[in-house]
Amino acid sequence: AQSVTQPDIHITVSEGASLELRCNYSYGATPYLFWYVQSPGQGLQLLLKYFSGDTLVQGIKGFEAEFKRSQSSFNLRKPSVHWSDAAEYFCAVGPFSGNTGKLIFGQGTTLQVKP
Amino acid sequence: EAGVTQSPTHLIKTRGQQATLRCSPISGHTSVYWYQQALGLGLQFLLWYDEGEERNRGNFPPRFSGRQFPNYSSELNVNALELEDSALYLCASRGVVSYNEQFFGPGTRLTVL
Repeated sequence: AQSVTQPDIHITVSEGASLELRCNYSYGATPYLFWYVQSPGQGLQLLLKYFSGDTLVQGIKGFEAEFKRSQSSFNLRKPSVHWSDAAEYFCAVGPFSGNTGKLIFGQGTTLQVKP
Repeated sequence: EAGVTQSPTHLIKTRGQQATLRCSPISGHTSVYWYQQALGLGLQFLLWYDEGEERNRGNFPPRFSGRQFPNYSSELNVNALELEDSALYLCASRGVVSYNEQFFGPGTRLTVL
């Protein structure tokens, strides 16, 4: 079955430090991959996406992610974290055969930023 | 361009009642998705509507239902509410050429007492 794993439930980094959030997926072919961010009480905002081509993708707010087929991973990175980046981050995969349309999400990683 | 909108923002019901949640997609988007985000359960796919038809549903009981109107807005109905239905319900829309990129609304927080 298709699945997404975000191994880190909670991460704390200091402001200005670099960040890497991990995401691993299980799927029989190359899926569409997404990273979303959710601030408290808010909906999801798309940070970046990967469909094909260059495996390093740039997103909004200075985030980037790298698709590694051999590791079934799509890790999110940011070179210097800002206090406003504190939020919950979700990795998602979709669509699947038969065009079910749905996204499957990881459990999320909560990012705390220390001043 | 206006984003996905949802109403109401908050909804409080008692067990056994019915709840109706509404979603307006981005202009030009024909697909609407509903997800449930319950505490400890993550984001779960509920329903997908496209061109007025239900295309797929997640592993939820039949008391979760909905519809899509000719203007592509959508309604989610939850009958016979149970305490565990308390969650944030997120609506997302997708355009025809967006490679399944889904744009999310702010959600409706449903509390069942």
